[in-house]
Amino acid sequence: GAVVSQHPSRVICKSGTSVKIECRSLDFQATTMFWYRQFPKQSLMLMATSNEGSKATYEQGVEKDKFLINHASLTLSTLTVTSAHPEDSSFYICSAPDSGTGGPALTQYFGPGTRLLVL
Amino acid sequence: QKEVEQDPGPLSVPEGAIVSLNCTYSNSAFQYFMWYRQYSRKGPELLMYTYSSGNKEDGRFTAQVDKSSKYISLFIRDSQPSDSATYLCAMRHNTNAGKSTFGDGTTLTVKP
Repeated sequence: GAVVSQHPSRVICKSGTSVKIECRSLDFQATTMFWYRQFPKQSLMLMATSNEGSKATYEQGVEKDKFLINHASLTLSTLTVTSAHPEDSSFYICSAPDSGTGGPALTQYFGPGTRLLVL
Repeated sequence: QKEVEQDPGPLSVPEGAIVSLNCTYSNSAFQYFMWYRQYSRKGPELLMYTYSSGNKEDGRFTAQVDKSSKYISLFIRDSQPSDSATYLCAMRHNTNAGKSTFGDGTTLTVKP
């Protein structure tokens, strides 16, 4: 199946710094990518939909100025956590829908995740 | 009340056992139902997806959807230690793959 990569896999930073997470689709183009966060033993919560060539769509309650999303190309989306604080520590996962059949994007391929720890 | 409820477990079974994982939901508009497997510190990987009610089988895995009861299940036959992971159910009412609602996951351990 399709492969989605994320970088870095783990990052530790000081409070107040900004952290950029990259999400790449390695063998297919993705005009749309999704960003999730997952707390321990909890489900994935959709944060935003990243759209190539246009602004990201944020879910209710997600601060767009806090979590900057840039979909620079058909294979790359970045999530920047600005002025990170300890409560931003979480597991961030991106995904890209499978549109290979030309039909509805019924499934999505997830990246391996990025574990962020803010001290 | 959450839209999707999933027993968090943990669930521990001996190798070779049949495993039943379940989710209930409240939104009758859900039409697409998925099961993902997530190993520790990894992203989820899609195991199976079904549309509307019915059964779907893939190797040792069988997914069942009962829309009348708002209940879905994943059965694993002849469970293996490599099946040890967290299993997430997910569902949505349209074709937008990203707009899925996930359960909290059930952690399964298969002991040799």
